[in-house]
Amino acid sequence: AQKVTQAQTEISVVEKEDVTLDCVYETRDTTYYLFWYKQPPSGELVFLIRRNSFDEQNEISGRYSWNFQKSTSSFNFTITASQVVDSAVYFCALSERLYNFNKFYFGSGTKLNVKP
Amino acid sequence: DAMVIQNPRYQVTQFGKPVTLSCSQTLNHNVMYWYQQKSSQAPKLLFHYYDKDFNNEADTPDNFQSRRPNTSFCFLDIRSPGLGDAAMYLCATSLDPVTSGITDTQYFGPGTRLTVL
Repeated sequence: AQKVTQAQTEISVVEKEDVTLDCVYETRDTTYYLFWYKQPPSGELVFLIRRNSFDEQNEISGRYSWNFQKSTSSFNFTITASQVVDSAVYFCALSERLYNFNKFYFGSGTKLNVKP
Repeated sequence: DAMVIQNPRYQVTQFGKPVTLSCSQTLNHNVMYWYQQKSSQAPKLLFHYYDKDFNNEADTPDNFQSRRPNTSFCFLDIRSPGLGDAAMYLCATSLDPVTSGITDTQYFGPGTRLTVL
């Protein structure tokens, strides 16, 4: 069964601090994809990154970086020098390929509060 | 810009009064999804369309129906809204893995926040 765990329900940091959001997943598939989405208070789920199971290279995009480790089934997300605009709920998701679509399994989300 | 649009952004209805939420997309994706998201919870998949083929999740109540008249539009109908149906409803689109050969990203609209009085 597919499952995603985001153990941190809520994190509060002060602006310019670094923060890491944890994501642990379970799957029996050998090929799978992992995603991170950001949900600001407005409600829209904004796509941040997609990573397939064969690519364990870490990725950096500006202040955002992702650490994928198959050995520990983790796909953690780090924001460097956090800003107030980073305040949002962040969801990690795992996809399962079914016949004609990919079903997403979302974690319960981590609410990040960045205070000025 | 290609995008997913949902109207209205906020919808208020009365207990038991049917309501329709709409979603349109300019991405030309053949898969469209409807999710329900309650406060402080993850999005929950209600159903999806592969082209015009409708697929219900096993635990989606019969009170929820959907229509997809063409590739660009998809509607969510709630036949008799209850207080428990108050939530954010998110529409998403993606390419399908059969024709694209990939696991595509799901792109979400801004959501419709439904209030039931």
